[in-house]
Amino acid sequence: GENVEQHPSTLSVQEGDSAVIKCTYSDSASNYFPWYKQELGKRPQLIIDIRSNVGEKKDQRIAVTLNKTAKHFSLHITETQPEDSAVYFCAASKKQPGNTPLVFGKGTRLSVIA
Amino acid sequence: DTAVSQTPKYLVTQMGNDKSIKCEQNLGHDTMYWYKQDSKKFLKIMFSYNNKELIINETVPNRFSPKSPDKAHLNLHINSLELGDSAVYFCASSPVRSNTGELFFGEGSRLTVL
Repeated sequence: GENVEQHPSTLSVQEGDSAVIKCTYSDSASNYFPWYKQELGKRPQLIIDIRSNVGEKKDQRIAVTLNKTAKHFSLHITETQPEDSAVYFCAASKKQPGNTPLVFGKGTRLSVIA
Repeated sequence: DTAVSQTPKYLVTQMGNDKSIKCEQNLGHDTMYWYKQDSKKFLKIMFSYNNKELIINETVPNRFSPKSPDKAHLNLHINSLELGDSAVYFCASSPVRSNTGELFFGEGSRLTVL
């Protein structure tokens, strides 16, 4: 089955700096790669996702890149703010045709220092 | 108008007891899931149900049994609770026939086994 590795496990940045979180996946059939943000005591929520037919996707200060050949994808947060502090999870699954459950990485705890 | 709701939010119980966590979604989604998040924040799939059929069981002990009375509900029953069962259990749902693949999580149920 799918295995997702995520690095780093913790990341501290100064407010205004960029943060990058990297993930690798094992199943070449996976074609859907979402990122979830989980604030302390809250549920995980989707912040951005990318499909395997796209190399990059951007939404304001957040961007995700995908390298299908190398089977890795990354989350980039620019101009970080204190409210970006949370645990971030990458995930992978196979969507359409057939659907496999999301397999999550182990999470990255991001701390943005004001 | 909560999309995915779980009860109870907190559950404290003794080893050896049996307990249930209920989950309901009003999104009309086809598939529901149970994820376990341990103290290290690892999110691991336990079960998924699609149209009342169990389609995934990720080596979860048979003390855990999902029960789905209808498409909108997926309850989790745990027999003979052990200390290692202490975790936050998240219910989630997603539409099968959708390009988004987004998981909608409930607020989580924190189980503490003493």
